[in-house]
Amino acid sequence: GEDVEQSLFLSVREGDSSVINCTYTDSSSTYLYWYKQEPGAGLQLLTYIFSNMDMKQDQRLTVLLNKKDKHLSLRIADTQTGDSAIYFCAESMVSSASKIIFGSGTRLSIRP
Amino acid sequence: DTGVSQDPRHKITKRGQNVTFRCDPISEHNRLYWYRQTLGQGPEFLTYFQNEAQLEKSRLLSDRFSAERPKGSFSTLEIQRTEQGDSAMYLCASSLAQGAPGELFFGEGSRLTVL
Repeated sequence: GEDVEQSLFLSVREGDSSVINCTYTDSSSTYLYWYKQEPGAGLQLLTYIFSNMDMKQDQRLTVLLNKKDKHLSLRIADTQTGDSAIYFCAESMVSSASKIIFGSGTRLSIRP
Repeated sequence: DTGVSQDPRHKITKRGQNVTFRCDPISEHNRLYWYRQTLGQGPEFLTYFQNEAQLEKSRLLSDRFSAERPKGSFSTLEIQRTEQGDSAMYLCASSLAQGAPGELFFGEGSRLTVL
């Protein structure tokens, strides 16, 4: 079945790294995504990883995929106050590539 | 601004009334999606269109919900005989079929409150 789970909250100090974790249940997932939602704004795709990859780096963002454990993580290096947002893990599957299933989101707060 | 726009941004209605939301996607985008988001949850897929064809519809979408995209541009989502459980943010997104995987461009949403 389709299920994406994330912890609800994460608090980190400005300048530290943030690691947001996600688990998914469907082994047929083709792509896995991280979206960001800032207050009063629409969701924005941050990055994605194809299921045959295990890592992707994009500037301050590093995505790690452990396909055996169905675990996805997003690391944000040098976390800034502008990174405060809700981060959603999401997946799409071979059977329905255009249907993206989202987790409940992790609210990242930054403390000085 | 040429992003995805939704109207109205907020609708308050009484139980049993019908409501309609409109979405104008990014002009060259051929795919359009509707999602629903409740407080503390992620967006929940409702339906999507490629051009004017409705290609997939969630099992969660009861027959009180109907979506159209008559000319392959804007779309409407109608909810008939609204119930309090329909209160949520209704999100529209668009994308290019040949674009980056999962690169949906979301609007800011239409918030529905059913009293």
